[in-house]
Amino acid sequence: AQSVTQLDSQVPVFEEAPVELRCNYSSSVSVYLFWYVQYPNQGLQLLLKYLSGSTLVKGINGFEAEFNKSQTSFHLRKPSVHISDTAEYFCAVSDRKTSYDKVIFGPGTSLSVIP
Amino acid sequence: NAGVTQTPKFRVLKTGQSMTLLCAQDMNHEYMYWYRQDPGMGLRLIHYSVGEGTTAKGEVPDGYNVSRLKKQNFLLGLESAAPSQTSVYFCASSPGAGGGTGELFFGEGSRLTVL
Repeated sequence: AQSVTQLDSQVPVFEEAPVELRCNYSSSVSVYLFWYVQYPNQGLQLLLKYLSGSTLVKGINGFEAEFNKSQTSFHLRKPSVHISDTAEYFCAVSDRKTSYDKVIFGPGTSLSVIP
Repeated sequence: NAGVTQTPKFRVLKTGQSMTLLCAQDMNHEYMYWYRQDPGMGLRLIHYSVGEGTTAKGEVPDGYNVSRLKKQNFLLGLESAAPSQTSVYFCASSPGAGGGTGELFFGEGSRLTVL
């Protein structure tokens, strides 16, 4: 069965420093990849997605992610974080072989930006 | 532009009580989902629906029932609440087969506490 691993449960980083949030998934066959962000007391919203084509995907708020098929990874990066980036980040994979949009979420990474 | 709306947003129940969470979407999406979010566990799928009048079990369906009598609404019921059902519940929708990629659109969540 498909699974998603986010190795870092918490990532503290100073403001204006770069950050990388790591994500690995169990299979690279017929999947789409997503990063969602959840701000405090809110629902999840899409940050970026990889469907096909270029392995470097750009999203909202200056975030980008790189799809690496050989390493089954989809790490999220931002060159310079802001206080407003403090949130929970979820990596997710959509298994296209099922009859519905089965989306498997990782456990999440809590990003804390320190002033 | 409402998107996905959940009611109520907060609820406190006593063990054994019943309640229903309502999810409404105005995007004409075919697929709808109920997830629960618990600390360190990401989102887990409770039930889903691939169209009006259809429902199916997800990863953690026990203790919950659902109904989708109208395309725009997806109800989640707890017949006899237990403390283990204390969680934040998220409804989501997606366009469905041929119209989507697995990207989910989320409501803002419903926080349920069972005493």
